Amino acid sequence: SQQGEEDPQALSIQEGENATMNCSYKTSINNLQWYRQNSGRGLVHLILIRSNEREKHSGRLRVTLDTSKKSSSLLITASRAADTASYFCATEKEGAQKLVFGQGTRLTINP
Amino acid sequence: NAGVTQTPKFQVLKTGQSMTLQCAQDMNHEYMSWYRQDPGMGLRLIHYSVGAGITDQGEVPNGYNVSRSTTEDFPLRLLSAAPSQTSVYFCASSYSWRGGNEQYFGPGTRLTVT
Repeated sequence: SQQGEEDPQALSIQEGENATMNCSYKTSINNLQWYRQNSGRGLVHLILIRSNEREKHSGRLRVTLDTSKKSSSLLITASRAADTASYFCATEKEGAQKLVFGQGTRLTINP
Repeated sequence: NAGVTQTPKFQVLKTGQSMTLQCAQDMNHEYMSWYRQDPGMGLRLIHYSVGAGITDQGEVPNGYNVSRSTTEDFPLRLLSAAPSQTSVYFCASSYSWRGGNEQYFGPGTRLTVT
């Protein structure tokens, strides 16, 4: 069963705009991670946020985590055509030795 | 470093055939895992290993076997291929399971079972 559910499933914006993707999960977690997948490729790690953190930044990426609502968001600022990809959240549940991935958000940046 | 490598890139099998998908990493990572990715389903964990000689089942282990005799290699065996196993398979590794670590993914194997 999928732990994370992502919203929206697909997002299309103009280059230069900000993109926000959301992830909700069901059980208590140790950490939540975001990955990017370009078409036909393997996943690439973007950022990890631990359960005791509320916000993290990495370049143009900003991730928030609200453990009371069991949700996270990924914000990509000043989007570029190269940001076109699918984005997945993955959660590490407490006591589990594995990541559970959401179904992903397909992001398209239009020039 | 080559990172995580997978072979083959593409494979077509007939129903009932068996095969092994190879996965290797050269980063001395403790943790390795296999996922399958189907359209609209995200990634689902098949099997994982927290170290040489230790393996465990993920969400969808039926029809697959794994072993981990060395730190570097984590092959996935399909025992008797079925059309439902048509998918893209990804191998991943991370430094350790303890403390939360990013996973490094291989390029994937696209498998079609007819």
